[in-house]
Amino acid sequence: QSVMTQPPSVSAAPGQKVTISCSGSSSNLGSNYVSWYLQLPGTTPSLLIYDNDKRPSGIPDRFSGSKSGTSATLGITGLQTGDEAHYYCGAWDSSLSAWVFGGGTKLTVL
Amino acid sequence: QLQLQESGPGLVKPSETLSLICTVSGTPVTNNYFWAWIRQAPGQGLEWIGIAYHTGLTYYSPSVKSRVTISVDTSKNQFSLNLNSVAAADTAIYYCARSGGGSINSYLEFWGQGALVTVSS
Repeated sequence: QSVMTQPPSVSAAPGQKVTISCSGSSSNLGSNYVSWYLQLPGTTPSLLIYDNDKRPSGIPDRFSGSKSGTSATLGITGLQTGDEAHYYCGAWDSSLSAWVFGGGTKLTVL
Repeated sequence: QLQLQESGPGLVKPSETLSLICTVSGTPVTNNYFWAWIRQAPGQGLEWIGIAYHTGLTYYSPSVKSRVTISVDTSKNQFSLNLNSVAAADTAIYYCARSGGGSINSYLEFWGQGALVTVSS
């Protein structure tokens, strides 16, 4: 059971928009930045969004992040088949003094 | 360019100690960053194991805290993971990573390629 909750799966058609939610608590998302990680099939996780809404260089602006209170959202517009992957949210938990991940969401582009 | 490379035995016997090293190239481990270990069991999500700073400061996941040690070797520009009393549930791909900043709550910016460790007799 993950400390932060994500939907196990989401799906949408190519070209459409999808959002992935991440629900936490006051000790993680409520008081620390959220970051998002992309794991393409068979590959290493990579940073997608950091500090709630910032994109590392090389990440297209089709990807966006937001946070409000104890919830965060990853948005992906203009879906491509290459976006099919697992997406994880992560944040520091001040009560646990540990980093926590969401359980991950599998995105399927139909 | 920063590179992280995990190395260590791919097979460990139950009850023994899992030991991995992450060799860092492209930046000194003494820079103002934290160094982390994360694992992923087959078909499962990401599990954070712990994090260390070159001064010896460490934080560990409550789930493995009693069994784990992470240390930074500044002379070799490496950091290591030791997990003792392993069981089959510790079978996973183990990733090393570097934080994006000098704060303990900073994101995980760079990841190694991962090393598969199987616990089996």
